[in-house]
Amino acid sequence: QVQLVESGGGVVQPGRSLRLSCAASGFTFSSYGMHWVRQAPGKGLEWVAVIWYDGSNKYYADSVKGRFTISRDNSKNTLYLQMNSLRAEDTAVYYCARDKPMWLRCPFLCTGMDVWGQGTTVTVSS
Amino acid sequence: QSALTQPPSASGSPGQSVTISCTGTSSDVGGYNYVSWYQQHPGKAPKLMIYEVSKRPSGVPDRFSGSKSGNTASLTVSGLQAEDEADYYCSSYAGSNKLGVVFGGGTKLTVL
Repeated sequence: QVQLVESGGGVVQPGRSLRLSCAASGFTFSSYGMHWVRQAPGKGLEWVAVIWYDGSNKYYADSVKGRFTISRDNSKNTLYLQMNSLRAEDTAVYYCARDKPMWLRCPFLCTGMDVWGQGTTVTVSS
Repeated sequence: QSALTQPPSASGSPGQSVTISCTGTSSDVGGYNYVSWYQQHPGKAPKLMIYEVSKRPSGVPDRFSGSKSGNTASLTVSGLQAEDEADYYCSSYAGSNKLGVVFGGGTKLTVL
């Protein structure tokens, strides 16, 4: 079945780095754009970043621009989020989510985020 | 502060209908027909309920419907059931050279 499984979360000190992974299965990963979305404790959803199916385009929320990098390895069916210079306000559950397939001629999010992982928790604290 | 504005709470009795609003600007909700809605139960991942303003993914009951007028999108849940009690979030495409994707702050739907 179609599945996304995040990993790599944990407790990290402010200013340090962490890399999250999202393993995809059950669909042709290389044909879909992918997002990272986060949710701080007791708060709402916040979009973090999106990457095109082939990695050719990437967009970021202003809150993480310059600190976070989204990437993918289609040979490994895996999405990544490299998080540098972490701050307390980056504490959240991080979800990966599937975007539109490459063959649809519409902007990202046009089909919504139709598959989500279970999330991985990142805690930034000294 | 979220980019899209939703009421913090909504409620209805079983069998009734409830509508949740999502207000943005001409740069997001009003500018594109790419509004989606997500349902999230406590401790669970979000689930896509509506995309492209009013389309339902396979498996989503037709009790869920979406619409848009100007800068405001709406999610209507008809024939409320106990399992509909959850948090609901709207999101909108906001242009690749601007905000990218924006979410609402979420609405807690209570089935009385």
